[in-house]
Amino acid sequence: AQKVTQAQTEISVVEKEDVTLDCVYETRDTTYYLFWYKQPPSGELVFLIRRNSFDEQNEISGRYSWNFQKSTSSFNFTITASQVVDSAVYFCALSEADGGTSYGKLTFGQGTILTVHP
Amino acid sequence: EAEVAQSPRYKITEKSQAVAFWCDPISGHATLYWYRQILGQGPELLVQFQDESVVDDSQLPKDRFSAERLKGVDSTLKIQPAELGDSAMYLCASSGGQHSNQPQHFGDGTRLSIL
Repeated sequence: AQKVTQAQTEISVVEKEDVTLDCVYETRDTTYYLFWYKQPPSGELVFLIRRNSFDEQNEISGRYSWNFQKSTSSFNFTITASQVVDSAVYFCALSEADGGTSYGKLTFGQGTILTVHP
Repeated sequence: EAEVAQSPRYKITEKSQAVAFWCDPISGHATLYWYRQILGQGPELLVQFQDESVVDDSQLPKDRFSAERLKGVDSTLKIQPAELGDSAMYLCASSGGQHSNQPQHFGDGTRLSIL
C-alpha cells in the first residue's frame, strides 16, 4: 500500500526566510508520480508540480524548488525568500502507475501548515 | 476562482437529514474524483468516475453515500442520512485522463457541518 508522510505539522517563519517542507513516501511500484499541492484558506487545492519516478532532476520555478531523491524516498519542497502570500497548507501526494482500479488515485500526506509572518 | 465548479460552498444541516453536493468539472475532462477532507488531514478518495462509469468506490460508505455522473459531465454526491462524523470538506477534482501522471484540478470544495 502506498503512503505519504509529512512529518512537519506546522512551520512558522518570518518573511524572506527560506523554508523546506519535507515529504517521504512509500510505494512498491517502480513507476509512480509525485505531486505538491497548495491549499490556501479558500479551500481549493492548487497544483504546483508533478514529478515521475524516472526523473530525478531537481526543478526550480521562481522561488519554488523541489528535490527528489529516490534513494531516500523523499520529495522535498523549498520556498526561497518566503512571502506572506505563501501562507497555506501544503500537501505532498503520490499516484501509482499501476493502481489497479484506482488508476490516477492520489494518496495525500497529512499536510504542513506554513505561516509566514511579516 | 477554481475552474472546477462546486456548490454549495457551505452546508449546515442536522443529522439524519439528506444532503447533496454538485460538481461541474473542467470542460472535456473525462475523469472526475470526489474526495473527503477531515479537518487537519489530507483528502481521501471517495469515488472516481471515468466518463459516466464508476472505476473506484472502494472507500465510499455505500450504506449512506451515493454518487452519480449520469451524462459523464457533472456529478452529484449524496449523503442520506447524514451523521455527525460526516462533517468535513468535500472536494471534487477532474483530470484530462485517468492516467496517474495527469494532474488533478480541484474545486473550492463544500464545507459540510452536521449539527
